[in-house]
Amino acid sequence: SQTIHQWPATLVQPVGSPLSLECTVEGTSNPNLYWYRQAAGRGLQLLFYSVGIGQISSEVPQNLSASRPQDRQFILSSKKLLLSDSGFYLCAWSVGFLEQYFGPGTRLTVT
Amino acid sequence: QKEVEQNSGPLSVPEGAIASLNCTYSDRGSQSFFWYRQYSGKSPELIMSIYSNGDKEDGRFTAQLNKASQYVSLLIRDSQPSDSATYLCAVLSGAGSYQLTFGKGTKLSVIP
Repeated sequence: SQTIHQWPATLVQPVGSPLSLECTVEGTSNPNLYWYRQAAGRGLQLLFYSVGIGQISSEVPQNLSASRPQDRQFILSSKKLLLSDSGFYLCAWSVGFLEQYFGPGTRLTVT
Repeated sequence: QKEVEQNSGPLSVPEGAIASLNCTYSDRGSQSFFWYRQYSGKSPELIMSIYSNGDKEDGRFTAQLNKASQYVSLLIRDSQPSDSATYLCAVLSGAGSYQLTFGKGTKLSVIP
């Protein structure tokens, strides 16, 4: 069966500091991978998606970036965090463009 | 702008009753529809998917889709306190589309 991991589970970072969140998927090959953010009182917002190694599409212009160095690894990064980057970051995977399954998430607080 | 609308709730139902959750969407070309359950502080969990008009049943859950009315619903029969959560409606537009558009969710509270 497929499993998706995210770490860290929680993170408190000062404004202006860098960020690296990691997501890995087990039990499937060549998944589509997604990064979402859920801010308080707002819906889920798609940030990036990837259909293969090195292929990243960005949905929202911002100070975040994503990379996919391996088939089942997806990384979300920032060089300098803003207060507005606080939120619940969720990685998801799908086979093709059907059901998406979410990881446990990382709760980021920027202070 | 593709939109998915849900009543924010909270929707309160007594234990054992039927909970009815509703969702409307703006993109008439939408093809696939999903319901996720999200417990407080946790990530969304997929509970139902539906692709064609009509009803789809899975245990105590029934998803209903009416593409002409651009309406999708989720019925939860014999509601349990463990069903208390926020339910997110998500819509995938068009064949080969990657982008799920989520509603903001309906908070359901099942009262023992």
